[in-house]
Amino acid sequence: DGGITQSPKYLFRKEGQNVTLSCEQNLNHDAMYWYRQDPGQGLRLIYYSQIVNDFQKGDIAEGYSVSREKKESFPLTVTSAQKNPTAFYLCASSIDKRTGGLAGASTDTQYFGPGTRLTVL
Amino acid sequence: AQSVAQPEDQVNVAEGNPLTVKCTYSVSGNPYLFWYVQYPNRGLQFLLKYITGDNLVKGSYGFEAEFNKSQTSFHLKKPSALVSDSALYFCAVRPGWDGGATNKLIFGTGTLLAVQP
Repeated sequence: DGGITQSPKYLFRKEGQNVTLSCEQNLNHDAMYWYRQDPGQGLRLIYYSQIVNDFQKGDIAEGYSVSREKKESFPLTVTSAQKNPTAFYLCASSIDKRTGGLAGASTDTQYFGPGTRLTVL
Repeated sequence: AQSVAQPEDQVNVAEGNPLTVKCTYSVSGNPYLFWYVQYPNRGLQFLLKYITGDNLVKGSYGFEAEFNKSQTSFHLKKPSALVSDSALYFCAVRPGWDGGATNKLIFGTGTLLAVQP
């Protein structure tokens, strides 16, 4: 089966703790993304990575960190600096064929994992 | 600022009736437009996308969407709704290359579709 997996499905964290959310894909996609979903706010981009060993901040990167040591894996760490971490976290991936060269916008579809619901106790 | 608007938080429709979920956008350049569906406590599933070409795009599960450049809209439609279509629908846009390249999607806030039997 090809796809994107996220673990755990549910995660509980005490205040002051760091936690790491896992995202793995076997689709051979180049690009991977982390989004945060809150009720009534849609999805907001936390971090994205277009290639191994490189990643870029999204719109709400503060209090989060990522790594991209392998093509298939893009773990997200929610640090104690994130003031309001309770949310549904979604990982996505896509091929990264660009129109207009490396600086062009990719037209490829992002495919999403099943999500991790993080709750701070 | 670049943005996507889904003006209706919820759309109610009777089973068998046509449905429309509205989306308008404000981005620079020629946009790439997407629709996704989300069932409770699940990830997003891709329905369809518009890149270029025919303004009417057909997607999964009988859904289609019409790109209207003059009205900057990309409404999702289905001729006959099913109870199983009840879910949260998201419109997303990626600004085009000629408007300032970015590989990031901008999402609307979502529209809850409720189909009554």
